Amino acid sequence: DQQVKQNSPSLSVQEGRISILNCDYTNSMFDYFLWYKKYPAEGPTFLISISSIKDKNEDGRFTVFLNKSAKHLSLHIVPSQPGDSAVYFCAASGAGTYKYIFGTGTRLKVLA
Amino acid sequence: EAEVAQSPRYKITEKSQAVAFWCDPISGHATLYWYRQILGQGPELLVQFQDESVVDDSQLPKDRFSAERLKGVDSTLKIQPAELGDSAMYLCASSYVNTGSPLHFGNGTRLTVT
Repeated sequence: DQQVKQNSPSLSVQEGRISILNCDYTNSMFDYFLWYKKYPAEGPTFLISISSIKDKNEDGRFTVFLNKSAKHLSLHIVPSQPGDSAVYFCAASGAGTYKYIFGTGTRLKVLA
Repeated sequence: EAEVAQSPRYKITEKSQAVAFWCDPISGHATLYWYRQILGQGPELLVQFQDESVVDDSQLPKDRFSAERLKGVDSTLKIQPAELGDSAMYLCASSYVNTGSPLHFGNGTRLTVT
C-alpha cells in the first residue's frame, strides 16, 4: 500500500517558467512533509518542509503548499533553472514516529 | 556543512556472498536510518535507530539483513547471503530527535549482486 504517491514520473519545463510537482498521501496521521532533490549518484538533498499547522512555506524560489483536506501537497519552483533538473521526492511522517515514507519521485527536466 | 559519511561508494559482489556497509552520521544526530532505493522507486526504510536502539525494523528482511549501532554513533548494515534482488542503492540518513528536523542523507552505497 503506497501511502505517499507521486503520480507524474516525469515533467519537462522551459527555463524561467514555473515547475509544479505534486504529491498525494493517504494517511491522515501524517503531519510533517518534506521535499528532496536527488542528482544521479548522490544522496537526496533536503529542499523544504512544511508542518500540518501551515498551508504554505516559502524558501527562495521554492514554495510548498499543503491541502490537508485533499491530502495533497505541491512544490512550486519559480523561476525554473537548468540546474533544477533532478528527481524530486516528497516524504511524510506523523504521530511523533520520525519515520519518513517517501514517494516514488518525479524526474524534472528544465529545458534551456 | 557537516555530512553523513558512507562507505564504500560502490560494491560488486557475487550472490551468496556477505557484504557490509558503513555509515557515520552527522555529529549530534541521535536518529539514524538505513534506506534502500531500487532504480525508479523511492527510498524504502529498512531500519531506524534512536541512539543504539532499534525503533523500527519492520521492513528489514531479517533472515539475511542485520544492522547495528553499538555505541549510538556509527552504524553497519550487513547482508548475508546476498541475492540478485538486493542490487540497489543503500542510503544512510540521520537527524535530530524533534519534529521539524529533516533527514540528512549520505551519498549511498551502490550494490550490484552478480
